Amino acid sequence: DAGVIQSPRHEVTEMGQEVTLRCKPISGHNSLFWYRQTMMRGLELLIYFNNNVPIDDSGMPEDRFSAKMPNASFSTLKIQPSEPRDSAVYFCASSFLWGGLGEKLFFGSGTQLSVL
Amino acid sequence: SQQGEEDPQALSIQEGENATMNCSYKTSINNLQWYRQNSGRGLVHLILIRSNEREKHSGRLRVTLDTSKKSSSLLITASRAADTASYFCATPPITQGGSEKLVFGKGTKLTVNP
Repeated sequence: DAGVIQSPRHEVTEMGQEVTLRCKPISGHNSLFWYRQTMMRGLELLIYFNNNVPIDDSGMPEDRFSAKMPNASFSTLKIQPSEPRDSAVYFCASSFLWGGLGEKLFFGSGTQLSVL
Repeated sequence: SQQGEEDPQALSIQEGENATMNCSYKTSINNLQWYRQNSGRGLVHLILIRSNEREKHSGRLRVTLDTSKKSSSLLITASRAADTASYFCATPPITQGGSEKLVFGKGTKLTVNP
């Protein structure tokens, strides 16, 4: 199993540009999570999907952020327009959830985003 | 939102010593999980302990859970330089929608000196 695959690994962009982060979850998993990690705020849950449906997006910081999961094997997190304060490591994680209980997550290697 | 808080924030020990990290949380949970993160990498799941369990072992790892005190501890015995990493506890808080999402603490940064 290849694990959770994220791309790109690093992204450097200028303020105002659109940024798209991609994630391929582990095959067979039914839930997908997007987290953001910074030194100041730690790991923050942005949004999670179950069976491709967004369940909780209360962590999405503002309307500039959007996430989609068009099918079970692909998700995107888009920031438009990007700002320097969006600089962080963005992680995607997947899991197989049943019974509404939190089970262990498998994380990707993350995307290091720098907005200049 | 409810969150696990690790203590201490940083810990530095010598190889061969034991390392103990603690986690406190605020509300009822179904389970508590510990993760490790090596520098520049994603988090890796270490161990999950359910709310009806008090202790769990996995190799050199020992996790305890005290639901009455809303706390957990992670013990790494006979530490090695390769154990140098940040360690996070994570809890799925029980909400009316279920308890699917994991909320992480800010972690304990462990340094094991050779």
